[in-house]
Amino acid sequence: DAGVIQSPRHEVTEMGQEVTLRCKPISGHNSLFWYRQTMMRGLELLIYFNNNVPIDDSGMPEDRFSAKMPNASFSTLKIQPSEPRDSAVYFCASSLWGTSNQPQHFGDGTRLSIL
Amino acid sequence: DQQVKQNSPSLSVQEGRISILNCDYTNSMFDYFLWYKKYPAEGPTFLISISSIKDKNEDGRFTVFLNKSAKHLSLHIVPSQPGDSAVYFCAAKRFGSSNTGKLIFGQGTTLQVKP
Repeated sequence: DAGVIQSPRHEVTEMGQEVTLRCKPISGHNSLFWYRQTMMRGLELLIYFNNNVPIDDSGMPEDRFSAKMPNASFSTLKIQPSEPRDSAVYFCASSLWGTSNQPQHFGDGTRLSIL
Repeated sequence: DQQVKQNSPSLSVQEGRISILNCDYTNSMFDYFLWYKKYPAEGPTFLISISSIKDKNEDGRFTVFLNKSAKHLSLHIVPSQPGDSAVYFCAAKRFGSSNTGKLIFGQGTTLQVKP
């Protein structure tokens, strides 16, 4: 079974450029999460969706960050304009949201470097 | 405000011995706890979970213990194998009427199992 698929795996770009990270959740999952991992802050939740609707975006650091989920099989995280401090590993995760506890399943992440 | 804490950044054990990873939490509303394992350049992988109605859950070599009064959980790996060498994250979730999927992660503990 295909897991959570993220692209690209690595992204290197210059400060000020727009960056778009992509995620395909596990088929049938109806919750999607975007995380950022840094040495200083560890693994922190940026935003999550239930049934394609953003539920909690309190972790989104600034207005430069935006996320969309146009359908159940695709989500994007966009940074515009990018800054060096955005350099981190960004993970996408999905789960089956409902009345019982279900673990989140993670993709392998996008390593983002802003020069 | 770190609600989930893993106070030991690293742990080294000999192959065949027991590995014990610890996690403390502060929010008494958490009632579902998970452990994830992470290898370099990969996303976190779900390992084992426990609901607050239990104090122990076992899956093969992995056992998670929950002490609600102390707000403490631990992961035991017996016997430890070199392939267990990874970063282990503790995570917690509040599962209530809001039915949110939000996980709060600890900072992680790097386990090294020596042959």
